[in-house]
Formats: sequence, structure tokens, C-alpha cells
Amino acid sequence: DQQVKQNSPSLSVQEGRISILNCDYTNSMFDYFLWYKKYPAEGPTFLISISSIKDKNEDGRFTVFLNKSAKHLSLHIVPSQPGDSAVYFCAASANWGYQLIWGAGTKLIIKP
Amino acid sequence: DSGVTQTPKHLITATGQRVTLRCSPRSGDLSVYWYQQSLDQGLQFLIQYYNGEERAKGNILERFSAQQFPDLHSELNLSSLELGDSALYFCASNRDGDQPQHFGDGTRLSIL
Repeated sequence: DQQVKQNSPSLSVQEGRISILNCDYTNSMFDYFLWYKKYPAEGPTFLISISSIKDKNEDGRFTVFLNKSAKHLSLHIVPSQPGDSAVYFCAASANWGYQLIWGAGTKLIIKP
Repeated sequence: DSGVTQTPKHLITATGQRVTLRCSPRSGDLSVYWYQQSLDQGLQFLIQYYNGEERAKGNILERFSAQQFPDLHSELNLSSLELGDSALYFCASNRDGDQPQHFGDGTRLSIL
């Protein structure tokens, strides 16, 4: 029972263009969503989060959009840079302090 | 550097054995989480401790146990190891059970 799904195992984007990573969820009790970035041999690093009371949150080149009716969120990276090449995980929580439920990740490759 | 330290980085052992994974949370963090990541999958929540007390339990096998000590470091004990226990084990911490969680670089466990 996958409550958080990232349906694209990988994504390849030209440097300088926009990267859009998608995430779908099934549990309507989720009210906090987070994106983490992971390099090989390192732990996940927190990128950006969004509460269910918002539909957009921005932090520099990173923007997360939340569509509650569609149970869908996306991470936009503009412009994409070579250092953005990593695995991106979407995670959700039913309560701010509670356990995170994770998607399987999307490997983002930024081409020069 | 997230400030979360996990040891050892790699562990190779045989089926039926027992191992202990150690985690030192960030300075000031009271909450510790353990996750398991099997090949190319998302992280699976195992267990959370807060200030020495178990707060939440996820998909943790009965062969696995954890504890958090008075100095707030945590240990994950895995016993009667099976081939399927081969995975990356991550520890995360945060101050008060809030988000985000900050991750260590993981322990890679290989069962031969």
C-alpha cells in the first residue's frame, strides 16, 4: 500500500531549464509535505516543505506546489544546475511531528 | 554536515548474527528516528524515540529493537539476521518532534 508515489524513477533535464518532479499521495490525512535531496553515500537533505493550508511555497530556485483536490504535489527547480543531479524524495506526514511516509524517489540528471 | 552521526558506515555479517547500529543526534535534538531503505525504494519508518521514550512504531520487525539513552544517542539492534535485512539504515533527529528531520549518512548492512 504505497501512500506516497513518485511515478518517474528518473528525469533528465538540460542545464538552465526547469526541472519538475511530481508526487502523488492517497492519504487525505497527510497535512505536511517535504522534499529531500539525496546524493550517493549521503543521507537525505531537507530541501523545502509545504503545509496543507498553502498551495505554494518558494525558496530560491525551489518551489513546491500542492494541489489537495488532486492529492498531488510538484517540485520545480529553476534554473536547473549540474549540482542538482541527485535523487529527490517526496515525504508526507499526518502531523507535523510524526513519522514521514516516503516515495521511492526520482533520480534527476542535469545535462550540460 | 547534518550533525547526525551514524556508526559504523558499513557492516558485513552473516545470517543468524546480531548487530548494533549507533546514532548520535544533532546537539539539542531530543527526537530520534530510524528508517530502513532497501534497494531503490523509499525509506521505511521503523521507530521513533523522544527523550528516551518510544513515541511511535512503524514497520519494525520483532527481531529488531531500539533504545535511546540518557545522553540521547540511540542504538538499533538487529538480531537473527536474514538476507532480506540487507539495506541502508538511516537515523534522523529533530529538536522536539517537529519537522524537518535531519539525517545521518546511514549504515550499509550487508548480510552474506
